Amino acid sequence: EDKVVQSPLSLVVHEGDTVTLNCSYEVTNFRSLLWYKQEKKAPTFLFMLTSSGIEKKSGRLSSILDKKELFSILNITATQTGDSAVYLCAVGYNNNDMRFGAGTRLTVKP
Amino acid sequence: EAQVTQNPRYLITVTGKKLTVTCSQNMNHEYMSWYRQDPGLGLRQIYYSMNVEVTDKGDVPEGYKVSRKEKRNFPLILESPSPNQTSLYFCASSLFGGKGLKEQFFGPGTRLTVL
Repeated sequence: EDKVVQSPLSLVVHEGDTVTLNCSYEVTNFRSLLWYKQEKKAPTFLFMLTSSGIEKKSGRLSSILDKKELFSILNITATQTGDSAVYLCAVGYNNNDMRFGAGTRLTVKP
Repeated sequence: EAQVTQNPRYLITVTGKKLTVTCSQNMNHEYMSWYRQDPGLGLRQIYYSMNVEVTDKGDVPEGYKVSRKEKRNFPLILESPSPNQTSLYFCASSLFGGKGLKEQFFGPGTRLTVL
């Protein structure tokens, strides 16, 4: 069965900490892996990864994909309270299928 | 402004009363999809559409219908809603790229309560 598993399910840190969120997957015909941030509204796109070993970076956020070991990580450095959100991982596979993980709820305390 | 719109944003209804949640996008995207989001379960796909008159079941299609008569619209229909369909619903749209689906743009969500 195709699945996407995120860990941890929730995480509480203090401002300035660095966090690493994990997403592992088992799907047929992998196409892409996407990260989204969801605050109290609709998810917003962060990164799309299709190739192993190439880091995507945007400010304090970065992500990398390992297609051999079937996982991706999302790193956030120097966390701020505004980073508090649910982070969703989604995997595109076959031609048009898309499956989301359950999400990681990150809370950043002042 | 490029966006996906959904209506209504909030709806409280009773078991068995047919309802439709509308979804519209102005980005000329071929792909549109409906998801429901429940605590601890993430986003689960209900139905998707790759283009006009082309729809397909996602992971949790039971109790739902969709149609795609125009490229921009993708309504979600609950013919006979039940309490287990109480959830937060998102519509999303996307382009296709060389690696399959590209990033999806999400609507603001519809919070549905079925009593």
